[in-house]
Amino acid sequence: AQKITQTQPGMFVQEKEAVTLDCTYDTSDQSYGLFWYKQPSSGEMIFLIYQGSYDEQNATEGRYSLNFQKARKSANLVISASQLGDSAMYFCAMREGRYDASGSARQLTFGSGTQLTVLP
Amino acid sequence: DSGVTQTPKHLITATGQRVTLRCSPRSGDLSVYWYQQSLDQGLQFLIHYYNGEERAKGNILERFSAQQFPDLHSELNLSSLELGDSALYFCASSVEAGTSTDTQYFGPGTRLTVL
Repeated sequence: AQKITQTQPGMFVQEKEAVTLDCTYDTSDQSYGLFWYKQPSSGEMIFLIYQGSYDEQNATEGRYSLNFQKARKSANLVISASQLGDSAMYFCAMREGRYDASGSARQLTFGSGTQLTVLP
Repeated sequence: DSGVTQTPKHLITATGQRVTLRCSPRSGDLSVYWYQQSLDQGLQFLIHYYNGEERAKGNILERFSAQQFPDLHSELNLSSLELGDSALYFCASSVEAGTSTDTQYFGPGTRLTVL
């Protein structure tokens, strides 16, 4: 089963409007972290925001906020006041616990991404 | 700028050849991760080192190997290259060994083209 699901392959938003990128996750762990990364066309992966499973408040970083709904297992990224420079691929990722059954460190699992295009 | 450096930025080589990709983590980070991003496979985790020790292996081919040196820089060696190895290879670093709160910061990537 997919651990991270991003159901929107592509999204369009008008400049200065807000947009929500969806992310649902699947885990039985109580302790996990959720991350969003941005990948512009130049290729680098830029860390945007982090939400811990025990955090009671939704994370915010400037124009980015994370709408964390634990019971629904969703961690949607909200970008307010979109700018042309926000056009990029956005990846949701999760890291569970600390170690797996074999003793290996747990790793980030990425979704398939959402391509956001901001229109002028 | 994440503080993670990767060299080279671009690499073009032929099938059957061997290449080495280099990564320097952010100052203070002990963990280094390698990822492969291709169009058809998405972002795939390859291998994780923490303070010189291998901590986890992902979908890394036997033709690929990696190591982390005492100064914490890491190298990913790709041998007997095939056309399908063409991809963007990322290195990421983090402070810890694998907690759920540990944020990974990515380097700019090395774009490998195998002709």
